[in-house]
This record gives sequence, C-alpha cells and structure tokens, in this order.
Amino acid sequence: GAVVSQHPSWVICKSGTSVKIECRSLDFQATTMFWYRQFPKQSLMLMATSNEGSKATYEQGVEKDKFLINHASLTLSTLTVTSAHPEDSSFYICSAITPLERREKLFFGSGTQLSVL
Amino acid sequence: DAKTTQPNSMESNEEEPVHLPCNHSTISGTDYIHWYRQLPSQGPEYVIHGLTSNVNNRMASLAIAEDRKSSTLILHRATLRDAAVYYCILRDPRGYQKVTFGTGTKLQVIP
Repeated sequence: GAVVSQHPSWVICKSGTSVKIECRSLDFQATTMFWYRQFPKQSLMLMATSNEGSKATYEQGVEKDKFLINHASLTLSTLTVTSAHPEDSSFYICSAITPLERREKLFFGSGTQLSVL
Repeated sequence: DAKTTQPNSMESNEEEPVHLPCNHSTISGTDYIHWYRQLPSQGPEYVIHGLTSNVNNRMASLAIAEDRKSSTLILHRATLRDAAVYYCILRDPRGYQKVTFGTGTKLQVIP
C-alpha cells in the first residue's frame, strides 16, 4: 500500500531555534498533503493544507509565519517550526491523499514528537 | 465538512466482538465514511471505508445504516493490539478538501 515517510521521529531543540520536519510520499505523487498537530490525549488538529507548487492554506489561528510549509515537489512537503518555544512542543503528523484509488484514502506519516526546552 | 460523533471510550474483552458506533447525521450524498485508528505515539492507520453498502476487509467490517446517518465499525475478535483510538471521518473524493478529526473512541481491550 501507499507509504508516507515522516522524519525525524522525534526532535529536541532549544527555545528560539527552528526545526524542519519532512514528509515524503514514497510510492505515489501527492498533490495535496495535510499537517496536523496533536497534544497529549487530544485529537488531531488540522494546521494547514499543502498543495504542490502553491502556497499552503492555513487553518484559523495557525500562524503561517511560525509554521512554514513548503511543498516544492509531488513527493515532499516540509513543515518548519520557526523560533520554537516550549508551547510548540507537540506531536506533528503529516498525511497525503493517494490518487491510486478513486476514493482517495488518507495515509499518514508516523509522526514527529517535538520537545522544545 | 460534515461532523461525526463517537463515544469517548469503550471497553471490550479480548477475543470478543466490538461494535464501535459513529453518528453522521449531516452526511452528504457524496461523502464516503472512513475509519482510521491511532496507536499511542503513532500516526493514524487506515482501517476501512465505504459509501452505502456494508464492507469487509481483513481488519474489520463496516456496517452502514440505510439512511447513512450512522455507521458501525466491527472488530470481529478484539485483540490487545486493537487497543487504540478509532476515528470516524467523512471524505468527499471529488476534491482535495481538508480532513478534520473528531474526538474518536478510545478502545480498551481487557485480557
């Protein structure tokens, strides 16, 4: 089945630094990817929709200058958390729609646990 | 996007069947019903999806009400590895609309 690879699995960084998270579709071309954030014991919260070759669409309340999303190719989207602070510590998950099937299943990366000290 | 409602938590004994309900009273005619599950510290995993007819795969069965306003995910024999949060979501395949998640149902499997 379709595979979405997300790296790194976990990252610890100092407050004020930037962190980049990569999301790759390994065996299909993903024109659209989604980025989610998940706090402990909560559901996934959609942050933004990333379309290849165009600007991402951010959900209300998500700072686009803080969470930079780049979808430069059909197989790679990146999320950069700029000037990270402890409140940005969370589990970040990407997903991609596979066009392999008409009904467009979602496939998810394994997630990135970000801890900001 | 149409919303779904699920119980916050359910329990099941190991090797017993489990029926996880989902209500989606505002579903549109083109929405597919998808189920995903999430193990701790992992991304969600696809379980099953359907439109009108009941569906079966190696993981589970999906029973869809005739009016499509509700559905039930059926795990025929729960195992400890099935302990997870199960999410029911609606997807219109015609476009690349965003996908939002409800609270899901946390399934606890008792040995």
